[in-house]
Amino acid sequence: AQSVTQPDIHITVSEGASLELRCNYSYGATPYLFWYVQSPGQGLQLLLKYFSGDTLVQGIKGFEAEFKRSQSSFNLRKPSVHWSDAAEYFCAVGAGGSYIPTFGRGTSLIVHP
Amino acid sequence: DGGITQSPKYLFRKEGQNVTLSCEQNLNHDAMYWYRQDPGQGLRLIYYSQIVNDFQKGDIAEGYSVSREKKESFPLTVTSAQKNPTAFYLCASIRRWGDQPQHFGDGTRLSIL
Repeated sequence: AQSVTQPDIHITVSEGASLELRCNYSYGATPYLFWYVQSPGQGLQLLLKYFSGDTLVQGIKGFEAEFKRSQSSFNLRKPSVHWSDAAEYFCAVGAGGSYIPTFGRGTSLIVHP
Repeated sequence: DGGITQSPKYLFRKEGQNVTLSCEQNLNHDAMYWYRQDPGQGLRLIYYSQIVNDFQKGDIAEGYSVSREKKESFPLTVTSAQKNPTAFYLCASIRRWGDQPQHFGDGTRLSIL
């Protein structure tokens, strides 16, 4: 069975600082990996996805993520955080053919001015 | 623009009542999902439907029921058997089974009076 771990419940950064949110997954084959962002009281918006190919994936809003098979990780990064990035971030793992993704518990990002 | 509409945004239920949450999509997507979101627990799958007139239980289906009579609609009923229904409920869809990634509605927050 597939699983996702987001080790950090909360992350606090200063505006303009760099950001890295951690995601570790467990899946037997090559996974489909996703990062979503959720603002309070809203649905989830897809930031980026990895299916295959280049292990460094670019997404919206200046985010990127790197797939590292040897570490079973798919960490999300942003070089300079803006106050509007404060939100909940979810990592998810899925598989092709039978699409029932598994979500991590989320990481809450707090941005200090 | 196409999307997923969840209504109402906020819903209140008295003890012992059944309530129905609406999810409508105009994306012409085949598959639809219902998730429950509680603080710190990520998204948990309640039910999903691959095609019209078909649906399957997810991880936490007890106390919930669904129907899929039309492609664009996937209502969720929270029955009185659900002992702790207070949560944020999210509906999602994908174009066809096995497709990636999911599109999400903006959610319904259900509270018990």
